Amino acid sequence: DGGITQSPKYLFRKEGQNVTLSCEQNLNHDAMYWYRQDPGQGLRLIYYSQIVNDFQKGDIAEGYSVSREKKESFPLTVTSAQKNPTAFYLCASSTRQMNTGELFFGEGSRLTVL
Amino acid sequence: EDKVVQSPLSLVVHEGDTVTLNCSYEVTNFRSLLWYKQEKKAPTFLFMLTSSGIEKKSGRLSSILDKKELFSILNITATQTGDSAVYLCAVGSGTSYGKLTFGQGTILTVHP
Repeated sequence: DGGITQSPKYLFRKEGQNVTLSCEQNLNHDAMYWYRQDPGQGLRLIYYSQIVNDFQKGDIAEGYSVSREKKESFPLTVTSAQKNPTAFYLCASSTRQMNTGELFFGEGSRLTVL
Repeated sequence: EDKVVQSPLSLVVHEGDTVTLNCSYEVTNFRSLLWYKQEKKAPTFLFMLTSSGIEKKSGRLSSILDKKELFSILNITATQTGDSAVYLCAVGSGTSYGKLTFGQGTILTVHP
């Protein structure tokens, strides 16, 4: 079945460690996104990519990094520079034109910093 | 800075009630307004609205956009316990199609 797979679903890390969250899609979508969700704040855009080998910062990119070497994959690294990394992270994809308006979301990765 | 505000933040009703969820926005270069339902983890798409006054309907759910007053409402009639979820409103603006600004979400709880 087509969809978006995020891994791991749950992740614990110690302060000062980098961690990479995986996002893979087999929908043949050009565009991919990373959102962060905190209680009471909705979803906030971290990074997005509309084409392979190109990506742009979203509203809260500080302390995060991404790469887009393949159309199917858009991994997110949460670096030690991110001051408050404990959150729920959602990856999404869409066609570049997004004619139907639909973002397809993965199941999310919950990161807890100890 | 683009801004999307949803109200109420939470709502508790009984099965059979009708609810109205609100979404107001302030964005430059408005493109579209979208509603999503988030039950556990992955939000699922409900509606996309681009034109004022045209109601979109899917079963017991309907939504309408007012571009003059900068708001949208999502109506759910004859609510069921399966409607319990977080409802997210998002606005697309500018030239980057998937770059959405989300509201805080409305937590809807439907009791039997």
